[in-house]
Amino acid sequence: EAEVAQSPRYKITEKSQAVAFWCDPISGHATLYWYRQILGQGPELLVQFQDESVVDDSQLPKDRFSAERLKGVDSTLKIQPAELGDSAMYLCASSLGLAGANTGELFFGEGSRLTVL
Amino acid sequence: AQSVTQLGSHVSVSEGALVLLRCNYSSSVPPYLFWYVQYPNQGLQLLLKYTTGATLVKGINGFEAEFKKSETSFHLTKPSAHMSDAAEYFCAVRPSANAGGTSYGKLTFGQGTILTVHP
Repeated sequence: EAEVAQSPRYKITEKSQAVAFWCDPISGHATLYWYRQILGQGPELLVQFQDESVVDDSQLPKDRFSAERLKGVDSTLKIQPAELGDSAMYLCASSLGLAGANTGELFFGEGSRLTVL
Repeated sequence: AQSVTQLGSHVSVSEGALVLLRCNYSSSVPPYLFWYVQYPNQGLQLLLKYTTGATLVKGINGFEAEFKKSETSFHLTKPSAHMSDAAEYFCAVRPSANAGGTSYGKLTFGQGTILTVHP
């Protein structure tokens, strides 16, 4: 069964360091999402891609976060410099597309848990 | 703007008892509605979804939910809880295809409800 792959599963870093997360969506899925889930809360969308283009990054803290999906397939989310408040689970998800026959299911990866010390 | 409210951050039931997890949404147009389950240190797995048609939808693991437009609710139920149901459950909403715009794909989640099942 096709899955969304994420790495690393766990990352511990010190504040002010750089950190990066990688996501490989299900093959053929044009839309890719990065969500942040703080402990005890629901996931919140950081950035949404349609192919290689950013569709929504309104909640992405652009002073320290960046995301790219250069070839419209896999994606990288970077944080530089990391702050204590960035400790969270970073979830990647993918779906077939924005519109059309797709009725909305997002497929999630297992997430990357970040701890900033 | 859409929002989701899950009533009760923690729900505790006995094994075999009815499970009821509450979800209310706010949306300017009828949205698509979802329930996801999350086990510790794992991603989210889709339990069920409502898009159009029958308002009572059945999902995996014996769960079902009913879309009630008049109440703007989408409560999740299961007749008999199992120990393996212990997890965190998230209700989510996204604009329907008719809503248009680039926010079509965006899922908005509730805060989650932790379900504990006692022997």
